[in-house]
Amino acid sequence: NAGVTQTPKFQVLKTGQSMTLQCAQDMNHNSMYWYRQDPGMGLRLIYYSASEGTTDKGEVPNGYNVSRLNKREFSLRLESAAPSQTSVYFCASSDLYRGARYGYTFGSGTRLTVV
Amino acid sequence: GENVEQHPSTLSVQEGDSAVIKCTYSDSASNYFPWYKQELGKRPQLIIDIRSNVGEKKDQRIAVTLNKTAKHFSLHITETQPEDSAVYFCAASRAGGFKTIFGAGTRLFVKA
Repeated sequence: NAGVTQTPKFQVLKTGQSMTLQCAQDMNHNSMYWYRQDPGMGLRLIYYSASEGTTDKGEVPNGYNVSRLNKREFSLRLESAAPSQTSVYFCASSDLYRGARYGYTFGSGTRLTVV
Repeated sequence: GENVEQHPSTLSVQEGDSAVIKCTYSDSASNYFPWYKQELGKRPQLIIDIRSNVGEKKDQRIAVTLNKTAKHFSLHITETQPEDSAVYFCAASRAGGFKTIFGAGTRLFVKA
């Protein structure tokens, strides 16, 4: 049981380049999320997908796009990378059960550096 | 907007002592409060959570308390061990909500 799988683990981009971060979960969760983690700032929500076919903006969506490809997969795209997007990116999934929220399962993270 | 404040940002304790991390949330509609532990270079992992209909929850050496009136919740770790050294994040979300707001984290050092 892999949980949440993210690729790649590390990436270096030049300013203006594009890339897609991939995320897949095998826990049959409905909800998936993309967070970025910067020193001293905790985890900030970029985009989320409450269920297959829906996506919504989080706290810091500018410069990013997402695709919920199917129930398992949720990708994050940087169209034109900027140095301010240097960060560690985490994908996560969770579910509701009888209206009760449950905690996240996180992927192992992608360390992205934009030079 | 909603936010979660977490204190202290750094905490150093002697092995065997207790550690307490405190959080305050702003959204009075929040009703689910998870805590995550993140070891260096690893992913955050859920260690304990509490819902608004409960005032306290324990799991071995860790416990969480919630004061809804004051909008405070805390993590208590007793008999700390070196392997408890990590960054701890508190978080808050609404019933059925999809946005979880995280605190900035507390770096806990347990000295042997």
